[in-house]
Amino acid sequence: GAVVSQHPSRVICKSGTSVKIECRSLDFQATTMFWYRQFPKQSLMLMATSNEGSKATYEQGVEKDKFLINHASLTLSTLTVTSAHPEDSSFYICSAASGRVRNEQFFGPGTRLTVL
Amino acid sequence: GQQLNQSPQSMFIQEGEDVSMNCTSSSIFNTWLWYKQDPGEGPVLLIALYKAGELTSNGRLTAQFGITRKDSFLNISASIPSDVGIYFCAGRINAGNNRKLIWGLGTSLAVNP
Repeated sequence: GAVVSQHPSRVICKSGTSVKIECRSLDFQATTMFWYRQFPKQSLMLMATSNEGSKATYEQGVEKDKFLINHASLTLSTLTVTSAHPEDSSFYICSAASGRVRNEQFFGPGTRLTVL
Repeated sequence: GQQLNQSPQSMFIQEGEDVSMNCTSSSIFNTWLWYKQDPGEGPVLLIALYKAGELTSNGRLTAQFGITRKDSFLNISASIPSDVGIYFCAGRINAGNNRKLIWGLGTSLAVNP
């Protein structure tokens, strides 16, 4: 139980295009999902907290108009990187809080974004 | 943002050896978590700790919630090649609905067969 999927697993896009990443909790409902980015050999950096049916809460320094988050259902949250630039290239990981395990975070497999 | 002090940064050991890593914080935590991340994957939760002094095992892994609530350690006994990866500690200061975690910088473990 507590399985989280992400799609796509990797994406390469041209500068200026927008990219949507999906995060799904497969066997549980998640009122809260989190979006992280991770640079090589570094720790996870929280970008935003996504609550179903309400606006996401962004961390300081993260542009909400750049990284659009939609948490439309209890099993799906999406992150859209708008007008992507090479500096947005990174590993994006989502997590979902599972009520089965004291609401701890279970992570998706990540999405490798490369912006050319 | 705030981060935990995790050490060592990296370890290279022989198969069969025991491993120990720890995290410390200047703040009191009410939850300590240990995750493992394989290359190109998301972190996987290994052990969760909720009470000061709590000692919990998961197979060959054992973790403890420090009595001061400002530290935690993870031990791996009799390491095997599949233990290779990056181990992260994470902690939570607040109870209630704030599920945000504070992360360590990771311990990279390499195991020589």
